[in-house]
Amino acid sequence: DVKVTQSSRYLVKRTGEKVFLECVQDMDHENMFWYRQDPGLGLRLIYFSYDVKMKEKGDIPEGYSVSREKKERFSLILESASTNQTSMYLCASRLPGPDTEAFFGQGTRLTVV
Amino acid sequence: KNQVEQSPQSLIILEGKNCTLQCNYTVSPFSNLRWYKQDTGRGPVSLTIMTFSENTKSNGRYTATLDADTKQSSLHITASQLSDSASYICVVRIGNTGKLIFGQGTTLQVKP
Repeated sequence: DVKVTQSSRYLVKRTGEKVFLECVQDMDHENMFWYRQDPGLGLRLIYFSYDVKMKEKGDIPEGYSVSREKKERFSLILESASTNQTSMYLCASRLPGPDTEAFFGQGTRLTVV
Repeated sequence: KNQVEQSPQSLIILEGKNCTLQCNYTVSPFSNLRWYKQDTGRGPVSLTIMTFSENTKSNGRYTATLDADTKQSSLHITASQLSDSASYICVVRIGNTGKLIFGQGTTLQVKP
């Protein structure tokens, strides 16, 4: 059974803190993604990675960075958390190819106070 | 602009009834369209994938249709169950970049 696991279901952090969101997949997928999901806006792409040590900016990368030191792990970093980064964060992974399915983690609901 | 619009935004139906969710897109070039189901507090899970040449595809009580000419898709749920209560997200893949464009989702509530 394929699995994408995010390290936390719920997080509460203070403004200005550095926050790490971890994502691990066990499917040997090359491609990994970080999205945020907000009501009425759908999923928006923050960063993605096509391979180890590779990263590309998505549509809303400001205030975020990522790390992919190992194929199975993709970390999202909030350098200095702000209240407007309160959101649901979803990690996904998939194989390369036009019709491959993206598998999502269960999400991390982050609240910045 | 590449966009995916879903309607209705939310829907309440009685258990056992059928319903249809709509998705209109302006994505070009088109690669494929997926419907995802997202239970509350969970990540989305794929229900179906539609490519350009496919008109209809079923997955149990879920049937997706695609009209590539009008750039519309629908998801029909037959004999709804309480477990169908979820958000349903339409996702279109851009052909040349592989980027996914997400709709805002339709929230379905099935009441007993």
